Amino acid sequence: RKEVEQDPGPFNVPEGATVAFNCTYSNSASQSFFWYRQDCRKEPKLLMSVYSSGNEDGRFTAQLNRASQYISLLIRDSKLSDSATYLCVVQFRKLSFGAGTTVTVRA
Amino acid sequence: NAGVTQTPKFQVLKTGQSMTLQCAQDMNHEYMSWYRQDPGMGLRLIHYSVGAGITDQGEVPNGYNVSRSTTEDFPLRLLSAAPSQTSVYFCASSPEGHFYEQYFGPGTRLTVT
Repeated sequence: RKEVEQDPGPFNVPEGATVAFNCTYSNSASQSFFWYRQDCRKEPKLLMSVYSSGNEDGRFTAQLNRASQYISLLIRDSKLSDSATYLCVVQFRKLSFGAGTTVTVRA
Repeated sequence: NAGVTQTPKFQVLKTGQSMTLQCAQDMNHEYMSWYRQDPGMGLRLIHYSVGAGITDQGEVPNGYNVSRSTTEDFPLRLLSAAPSQTSVYFCASSPEGHFYEQYFGPGTRLTVT
């Protein structure tokens, strides 16, 4: 079983729409959680940390559900520039990366 | 600041050849790491270093060597290239105490024929 699993998508949404997707993790002792963003053929970049109480950063909202062992990312009012692959990252001693969820925002 | 730089951007090797992928950072980060990224898989850690002179294996170290003689540089050496090592290689660095905050280089696309 993979440590971190994501729906690869793609999620094709129109500009202005809301899109949400989850990531599940297998290790219940995982300590910290993050979302990274990776544009096509570019390097990953840290998007946001995910806190137990949930957190927002502008149009992005991240949630953590420890009981069900998943984290989620919601993007409101999608922009064309949000088109990317979103990597779920879970930390237990080391970082474990998911394979990513691809989001395509169309005009 | 240039951040994390990697060279070369692209490389084609024949099976059995060796080469070194270069990585340098100018942010004075102690923690550096090498990952490979393959389609449908998450980034996998090859080797990492918590400071100059200290290196350790990640989850897929076979076929690769690293050294860390300075804080800035963390080269990755492929000993005898195999087609299974065809991948995109990313070097990353992170500040002390925040190793989850990885700053990645632009990557090296390696093809082994």
